[in-house]
Amino acid sequence: NAGVTQTPKFQVLKTGQSMTLQCAQDMNHNSMYWYRQDPGMGLRLIYYSASEGTTDKGEVPNGYNVSRLNKREFSLRLESAAPSQTSVYFCASSLARGFGTYNEQFFGPGTRLTVL
Amino acid sequence: AQKITQTQPGMFVQEKEAVTLDCTYDTSDPSYGLFWYKQPSSGEMIFLIYQGSYDQQNATEGRYSLNFQKARKSANLVISASQLGDSAMYFCAMSNSGSARQLTFGSGTQLTVLP
Repeated sequence: NAGVTQTPKFQVLKTGQSMTLQCAQDMNHNSMYWYRQDPGMGLRLIYYSASEGTTDKGEVPNGYNVSRLNKREFSLRLESAAPSQTSVYFCASSLARGFGTYNEQFFGPGTRLTVL
Repeated sequence: AQKITQTQPGMFVQEKEAVTLDCTYDTSDPSYGLFWYKQPSSGEMIFLIYQGSYDQQNATEGRYSLNFQKARKSANLVISASQLGDSAMYFCAMSNSGSARQLTFGSGTQLTVLP
């Protein structure tokens, strides 16, 4: 099992450029998430998908769009990148059923994005 | 709205000693889960331990234990017998009872284990 995979690992954009971050999981998880982590800070939720076909805004959704392509894949799109979007982006997935330790979120390795 | 507070930006501990990392939370949801994650300098997020709001006993996982005090809304992580490899950023997080069980993270505590 690969777990949660993200592409690319690194990306440099110029202001105004667009790009899509890809995420896939092979654990048959129901829910998927996108977070950003700024230096010295915790993770902040951008968007999430409780199940295939649904997406919802998190704490910091402005400037981003998402697509839950199927149960495995959840992409994050920056339509017009801004320097304030320079960050490390993490994708995660979870079973998200009932309560218990099995609802832990599994994280991808992250994408380090710099917007000039 | 949920909130997680970690008031210790940085902590130092001597190798082989125990250390407590503080976490307080605020929520109006009666059903929630509390998680601790470790982030080493390499950047990956590693799940350590989980405590459910209805769990009667404190969670333990090897050298990690969670001191859960529901009335005080605290969920402190205790690491026993610290090792050099424990040096990392530690995040406390809380999930709600929503359909996606999404997490709210604290700002983290940077732990440094001294030889």
